[in-house]
Amino acid sequence: QKEVEQDPGPLSVPEGAIVSLNCTYSNSAFQYFMWYRQYSRKGPELLMYTYSSGNKEDGRFTAQVDKSSKYISLFIRDSQPSDSATYLCAMRGGGSYIPTFGRGTSLIVHP
Amino acid sequence: NAGVMQNPRHLVRRRGQEARLRCSPMKGHSHVYWYRQLPEEGLKFMVYLQKENIIDESGMPKERFSAEFPKEGPSILRIQQVVRGDSAAYFCASSRDSGAFFGQGTRLTVV
Repeated sequence: QKEVEQDPGPLSVPEGAIVSLNCTYSNSAFQYFMWYRQYSRKGPELLMYTYSSGNKEDGRFTAQVDKSSKYISLFIRDSQPSDSATYLCAMRGGGSYIPTFGRGTSLIVHP
Repeated sequence: NAGVMQNPRHLVRRRGQEARLRCSPMKGHSHVYWYRQLPEEGLKFMVYLQKENIIDESGMPKERFSAEFPKEGPSILRIQQVVRGDSAAYFCASSRDSGAFFGQGTRLTVV
């Protein structure tokens, strides 16, 4: 079992839809959770950074962490074609600074 | 505040040559990470460094690969005697005490 599981997709949605992206993990020591967006042939861009359980909102993006279920989500409201990219979750904790990444979910938002 | 700078962006090497990849972290960031990414795969951790110290190199192959982060100058990932299987995108990230920020990567092609 991988430490971080993420469905690779692709996930295809119409413009304006609410998108839900998810990751599960096995290491209960993880305390810091991140979401990255990566466009083709570009470096990952940090979208959200959260600590422990709860919600965090930034514009159209909401990150949600449920440590009891070892489950994190990223919601994108009013999705746009420009949101089409690969979304990677990452997490760290237990005294380690090293982020462990999921495989990434490919999102396609079609007009 | 410039982001994480990586160079070169593209590097072509013949089998058996050496590849040298450079990474300048964001100003004020003392943690540097190197990751490798193959097509359709996630980010695989290679090595974590702080100034003049290798903290964790558990993801780095034992042979041919080395990394450094000197007191002055950029972090260097060195691959000696490259083989075709080394062809990949290599990403550097830096952090202070929050999420890690990535550079645009170096795409290494071994011919």
